[in-house]
Amino acid sequence: QSALTQPASVSGSPGQSITISCIGTSSDVGGYNYVSWYQQHPGKVPKVMIYDVSTRPSGVSNRFSGSKSGNTASLTISGLQAEDEADYYCISYTSSSTLVFGTGTKVTVL
Amino acid sequence: QVQLVQSGAEVKKPGASVKVSCKASEYTFTDYYIHWVRQAPGQGLEWMGWINPKSGGTNYAQKFRGWVAVTRDTSVSTTYMELSRLTSADTAIYYCARVNGGNKITGALDIWGQGTMVTVSS
Repeated sequence: QSALTQPASVSGSPGQSITISCIGTSSDVGGYNYVSWYQQHPGKVPKVMIYDVSTRPSGVSNRFSGSKSGNTASLTISGLQAEDEADYYCISYTSSSTLVFGTGTKVTVL
Repeated sequence: QVQLVQSGAEVKKPGASVKVSCKASEYTFTDYYIHWVRQAPGQGLEWMGWINPKSGGTNYAQKFRGWVAVTRDTSVSTTYMELSRLTSADTAIYYCARVNGGNKITGALDIWGQGTMVTVSS
């Protein structure tokens, strides 16, 4: 099972919106509505931001939203803030009843 | 509060095995799947496997089949991840994480252990 493909880095200015893509196959991202997104600050434990493609856990800012089209899932951060600077990972359920992470994206707030 | 507490850091020699524990508290241990994830220094997250604490059923990433074993002891609400035939490439932080919602393989990994650093060095 190959890792899902994410851009290595995405940047934006405060207040802007950015979108991170997560490209898989019909055996993972495209086959199930079970994509989650995690934020990880340096030296910290990952935190779930979105699960089941577009569900936001309680306590997560509504500036974070998720979507999916075909084999590509996306995480959009609107109104970018300095605190959003972190690494972001997608993860999907697969046809083997396993999970697979994306390659990770470093978000930089300019 | 609801939490997962992992065992402490380990230093192992190449070829050895390591067993990391993950103790659940303040929730019904058998109601939530547990996943194991690792992160090598400066690298991304890598999914390793899951366990159904109720049945003991497991599934692993293809890469780890044959050399990782995840087990549980319901009497002490603890999950264990044992990795054998260690090499320097296994140097990483190992995390356990709980799936929200109850009795689901996937969903939000809402509660994470603090991580256990495993260093493999001769």
